[in-house]
Parts: sequence; structure tokens; C-alpha cells
Amino acid sequence: GAVVSQHPSWVICKSGTSVKIECRSLDFQATTMFWYRQFPKQSLMLMATSNEGSKATYEQGVEKDKFLINHASLTLSTLTVTSAHPEDSSFYICSAHPAGVSYNEQFFGPGTRLTVL
Amino acid sequence: QKEVEQDPGPLSVPEGAIVSLNCTYSNSAFQYFMWYRQYSRKGPELLMYTYSSGNKEDGRFTAQVDKSSKYISLFIRDSQPSDSATYLCAMSAGNSGYALNFGKGTSLLVTP
Repeated sequence: GAVVSQHPSWVICKSGTSVKIECRSLDFQATTMFWYRQFPKQSLMLMATSNEGSKATYEQGVEKDKFLINHASLTLSTLTVTSAHPEDSSFYICSAHPAGVSYNEQFFGPGTRLTVL
Repeated sequence: QKEVEQDPGPLSVPEGAIVSLNCTYSNSAFQYFMWYRQYSRKGPELLMYTYSSGNKEDGRFTAQVDKSSKYISLFIRDSQPSDSATYLCAMSAGNSGYALNFGKGTSLLVTP
């Protein structure tokens, strides 16, 4: 149980285009989902926290108009990278916190590798 | 100063060795401490979860938290080549649904 999927697993796009990444909790409902970005040999950096049905909370330095997050249901959150540029190339990972769980456990997706040419 | 510091390694040990991985932190509000294992190009997998100070053991893994020193450790006994991965420490101040603060991760290689 407690499986989180991401789609696509990798994507290559041209500079200036927009890319949507989906994060799904497959066998549980997630009240909160988190989006992280990881550069090579670096740690996971939190980008934003999204709660179902409300606006996402972005970390300092993350452009909310560039990284659009939608958490429309308890099993799905999407991250859209708008007008992507080569510096947005990174490994994007989501995690989900199960509804009704009192302790801070997050289940991570397998990640999406974005390459912007 | 980053809130969570972790030596990135790489750390190379022979099979069967005891591995010690460590993190230090600066935020005294952190109460929840986790260790994740991440294989290349995969998402992190939770290994150990501890609350406040103390030890926790699970099979070959032991997690230790010393809040007075702001220092946490993960020990791996009888290390195996399949343990080769990046180990990330993570911590948070809150309980349910709080964001995690990650260390940079330590790359571990266990050689046969």
C-alpha cells in the first residue's frame, strides 16, 4: 500500500513550452501533497505545499506564476512548469501525506526528470 | 548556515561492515526525524522514523537522535551491496502534514 505515482517519468521539451506533471496517490487519500526539486548531487528542495481544494503555499524564491500547482482531488496534484527554460531542467518529486494519519509520514513518487532544450 | 547539514560522501565500505551516517541541524524546533534511502533516479523510500531523542532499531538499521547535540545518526549493520544508495536525513518541527527539511544526502557504496 501507500503508492504514489508520477507521470510522466521523464520529459524533454523545447524552451518556452509548458509541461504538466501529475502526482497520484494510488491507494490512499492525501490531504497534503508536496512538490520538491532535486538537482544532481543535491538535496530535495521543497518548492510548494498543496492542500486539497486550496491554493498552494510556495517556498521563498519559487515563482508561483511559473510553477502552477493544482490539487483538485484527494488523490491528484499537478505541477505545470510554464514557459520552461533550460535552468528548469531538474528532477521533480512529489510526496503525499495520507489523510487521517497523525504522524508526519510522506510517501514519495518515483520522480519526473525534466530536460528543457 | 543550512538548517540540516549532511556530509555527501561518497562513503565506500566492504560488505559486512558497520556503516555510520550522520546529520547535524540548527533548528531546535525539529522534533521528528527520518531517514530515507534513494536509489539513482528514484524517489526516496522511508527507512526509519523517530520522534524526539532516543534510539530506534529495525532489523539491521538503528536510528539515534541526540537533541541536546542536534545530531542524528543511522547505523547499518552487516552492510550489503544492495544497501548501496544515497541516504537522506529529514526532519520537521510539526506533526501531521508538515514539510520536511532534507540533508544533502550521503552516497554509500558497499563493495562485495
